Order: sequence, then C-alpha cells, then structure tokens
Amino acid sequence: GNSVTQMEGPVTLSEEAFLTINCTYTATGYPSLFWYVQYPGEGLQLLLKATKADDKGSNKGFEATYRKETTSFHLEKGSVQVSDSAVYFCALGAGANNLFFGTGTRLTVIP
Amino acid sequence: SQTIHQWPATLVQPVGSPLSLECTVEGTSNPNLYWYRQAAGRGLQLLFYSVGIGQISSEVPQNLSASRPQDRQFILSSKKLLLSDSGFYLCAWSVGTIYNEQFFGPGTRLTVL
Repeated sequence: GNSVTQMEGPVTLSEEAFLTINCTYTATGYPSLFWYVQYPGEGLQLLLKATKADDKGSNKGFEATYRKETTSFHLEKGSVQVSDSAVYFCALGAGANNLFFGTGTRLTVIP
Repeated sequence: SQTIHQWPATLVQPVGSPLSLECTVEGTSNPNLYWYRQAAGRGLQLLFYSVGIGQISSEVPQNLSASRPQDRQFILSSKKLLLSDSGFYLCAWSVGTIYNEQFFGPGTRLTVL
C-alpha cells in the first residue's frame, strides 16, 4: 500500500542552522511527492514537489530530492530563519484520489 | 486565480448539536474536493473526497457526512456532535490526477464541549 513515514519532532534549531527533516515512503507505481508547510492557525501551503525520480523540488531556500533507490524525499534548508517555524508535512500522491500525509514535524527556530 | 474559502473560521458547539461547515472554491471548474481533519498534535486524516456533484467517497466511518450540492461547494455535516469531533477541519481542492498538488483552505477550528 501507500504510506509516508516522517521524522518525528519537535525539532528546535538556532537561527542559521542547517535543517533536515527525513521522509520515506512506500508506494505502488510511480508516486508524486510533496512537502507542505502549516503556519500556526492556518491551512497547509504547498512548499515544493517532485513528480519523478531524481527530480529536485525547491522553494524559499528549501530543497528535496526524489530518491527512488532509497524511497526518500528528505527536506533540507541550509540556513533556517525564525519565520520558518511551522509544521512540515511530507505527502505522497499515487493511485487513489487522495494524498497520503506523514504525521508532520514541528520546527521551532530560536533567535 | 483560484481561491478557496471556509467558514466559519472557529466554532464552539455543545455535544449532541448539529454541524455544518462550508467550503467553496473560486476560479476553477470541476475540481476534486476533500475534507480532512487534524486532531491536536496529529497529522491529517482524510474524511471525504468528491470528484463531482453528488459524488462522495467516505474514507473513515463516523458520525460525519459530506455533500456536494454544486460544482464548487463542499459541505461537511453532522446530526449530533461528539467530543471526539473536536479538531481543525481543512478543505482542499485539486484538478486532474492525484499526481497534482492539493490546495488547502484556511481551516475551521471546531471545539465540542
């Protein structure tokens, strides 16, 4: 079946630190992969996506590479800011009419 | 451009009372529509999705129901709320296949007392 396993948080980093949030998946077929971000009290916003193996999605300094050999889509950012504090969700789209979401990782960046 | 609206933004209801949450999408035609629930500190749980007017698929058996009376309107309802219905309800839309991203509304925070 389809599922996403996401690094559990919470994650607390100092400003300008390097961020990695791990995401691995199981899927039938060839899924698309997404990272969404949720700021406090708001809905989810698409952060980046990749639709095939070896694609790299990027946005706002965040990057993630679709690795088919390791079934992973880890989120990275070289230098986090306080404004990046949010909950991050990894998601998979394959086959059925819905996305499969990870449980979310809460990131807090302190000045 | 496309926009998605949800209302109300917040709601406090007593146990046993009815519920109606509304979601509307503008700027697109024949979207796929979704209702998710996010319980405190947890991930997203898909409740219902719809690929067209009057077509509803339920993912989780419960005391909630959904309806799609118009192409860009999606309603989540309950006849009698339970304490466990408290949470953050998110509506989303997409077009085409599931390989395309979903776009989320601002959410409704429901507290059942």
